Amino acid sequence: GEDVEQSLFLSVREGDSSVINCTYTDSSSTYLYWYKQEPGAGLQLLTYIFSNMDMKQDQRLTVLLNKKDKHLSLRIADTQTGDSAIYFCAGSGTYKYIFGTGTRLKVLA
Amino acid sequence: NAGVTQTPKFRVLKTGQSMTLLCAQDMNHEYMYWYRQDPGMGLRLIHYSVGEGTTAKGEVPDGYNVSRLKKQNFLLGLESAAPSQTSVYFCASRPRGTGHTEAFFGQGTRLTVV
Repeated sequence: GEDVEQSLFLSVREGDSSVINCTYTDSSSTYLYWYKQEPGAGLQLLTYIFSNMDMKQDQRLTVLLNKKDKHLSLRIADTQTGDSAIYFCAGSGTYKYIFGTGTRLKVLA
Repeated sequence: NAGVTQTPKFRVLKTGQSMTLLCAQDMNHEYMYWYRQDPGMGLRLIHYSVGEGTTAKGEVPDGYNVSRLKKQNFLLGLESAAPSQTSVYFCASRPRGTGHTEAFFGQGTRLTVV
């Protein structure tokens, strides 16, 4: 079945770049997404990439997609304490999203 | 515009009790979802619906039932709660479409089964 995996934790210093990685097994997703979950809240869409793109940049966010290796990454430039959250990658099929395990990003001041 | 609203926000159940979680969306979305979130396991899909009157099983449907009698509401039922169902439950909705469509999430329901 579909499987989306992420490392569970990442810790960076304020001002550094963060790179959150995701691997997936199902290559049929048309779009791949990054969602952010702040403490005690639901998920909010951060950015997405169409499956035939390699890269997408959105202000401090850069998404890289390696279709051959089925690898998706999210780079956050100049990471701030407000970026501390759980980040989920997700693939979308015809009807549903399949989410990864989530990566908890901790930003140290 | 309220978006996606879940009720209740917190609940403690005894083993064997039943309850219903309500999800309501005011965006006229066709697709609705129930997920559970557990530490280290991310979000797992319980059930979903692609329209009024339709439901389908997700990854972890056992012990849950759902109904979508009205387009704006998606109910998740636990007939006989078990401690393994202690979790945070999220409802989400999104519009139908072949292009990019964003899923909108509720704030979650924290359920503890003792």
